[in-house]
This record gives sequence, structure tokens and C-alpha cells, in this order.
Amino acid sequence: KAGVTQTPRYLIKTRGQQVTLSCSPISGHRSVSWYQQTPGQGLQFLFEYFSETQRNKGNFPGRFSGRQFSNSRSEMNVSTLELGDSALYLCASGQGRANTGELFFGEGSRLTVL
Amino acid sequence: AQSVTQLDSQVPVFEEAPVELRCNYSSSVSVYLFWYVQYPNQGLQLLLKYLSGSTLVESINGFEAEFNKSQTSFHLRKPSVHISDTAEYFCAGDYGGSQGNLIFGKGTKLSVKP
Repeated sequence: KAGVTQTPRYLIKTRGQQVTLSCSPISGHRSVSWYQQTPGQGLQFLFEYFSETQRNKGNFPGRFSGRQFSNSRSEMNVSTLELGDSALYLCASGQGRANTGELFFGEGSRLTVL
Repeated sequence: AQSVTQLDSQVPVFEEAPVELRCNYSSSVSVYLFWYVQYPNQGLQLLLKYLSGSTLVESINGFEAEFNKSQTSFHLRKPSVHISDTAEYFCAGDYGGSQGNLIFGKGTKLSVKP
């Protein structure tokens, strides 16, 4: 069974640009969550999508957005990039029902903003 | 607000020594707890989980954790560590709002020295 796949693995952008990150969940999983990981703030929840609908959202500005497609693949977008957006962005998939078990994480997309 | 606190940011230990990584969680009627491990340049992998039942849970590589409701703790232990256990460990809680929205601790970097 293939794991969670994130693309691209590494990317470099400049301030003001926008970026789109992609995540393919484990087959059969309908929930996709996104997390931002930085040395200072640790792992912070961005949002969760389930059956193409955003089910939860963390405390991030509107520059951070996402969507989920009918095949459960998800994308997140960050517009007007700031230096502080440099981070490892992790995608996780799950069955989508509360308290049913663990999330499965991808290896992440490392974004560097110059 | 729910929270998960990891009391040590770094834990150095010699090979074959025992180790304990501490985690406290904010009390709730219903909470499910997880330990994840992250190796350099990789995503998070589930180490073990407590959903219900026995309060002592074990992983396949010798780690164990005990869910302690009275002390609101979920400490991770291993009686004898190996060099290969060097990684960052994250404690996380699912407070039932949504499977995709885990509350993570800040992480503990375990460094095993020969």
C-alpha cells in the first residue's frame, strides 16, 4: 500500500510569490490534514479536508488556503509569501473519523522563502 | 484550550541506558494520545497510541508508554536505547474534535551517544 506522497519535496521562493503544494493520501483515506513545522513553533495545524470540504482550520492568516479533490488528493496554497513562511509543510491522511487512530504523514515539502 | 506539553526539549543519553521522555496533556473527558518519531529529513511515523483499554501500550521496537489519568501524563520509556533511536519524538493528543486535528507537543530530541 503506497504511503502519503507529497510534492515537491524542496522548493525555494522569494517574498511576494505564491506556492502550491500537493498531497496524495493513502488509498481509501478521505481525510487530509496539513501541518506547518518550524523550529520555533513546532507542529501547527493548518487545516483538514474531508470529502472535499474543509472541516477544521487552524489559526493561520487567509494567505494559507487549501482544497481537496474528488479523488481525495489535496493541495495547499500560500500567497504573498513572507520570510516567516519558511517551514516544512507536512500532509497527513486518515480515515476521517474522530478517535479512530493515527494519522499517516508524508515526508513533507520544505519551503524556503528568500 | 487543550494542550500537550513535552517537558524536555533535549535528552542526551548513552547507548544501552534507559530513557524516559515526558509528556503531559490537558485533562479532558475524552482524549486519545500518540507518540510519533521523526528522523532527519523525514515525516512523522507513529510509534504507539492509546485509544482505550490497557493503559500500558507498547511499540514493536521496545518503547512503551503509560496513560496516567490522575497525573495527566503519557510518558515514553525504553529500558535500553540504541544509537538508531536518535530522533525527535512528538507527543500528540486527539481531543475528539476531528481526527485530522492533533495537538502536538514541541518535541523532544533524543540523542543517543556511544
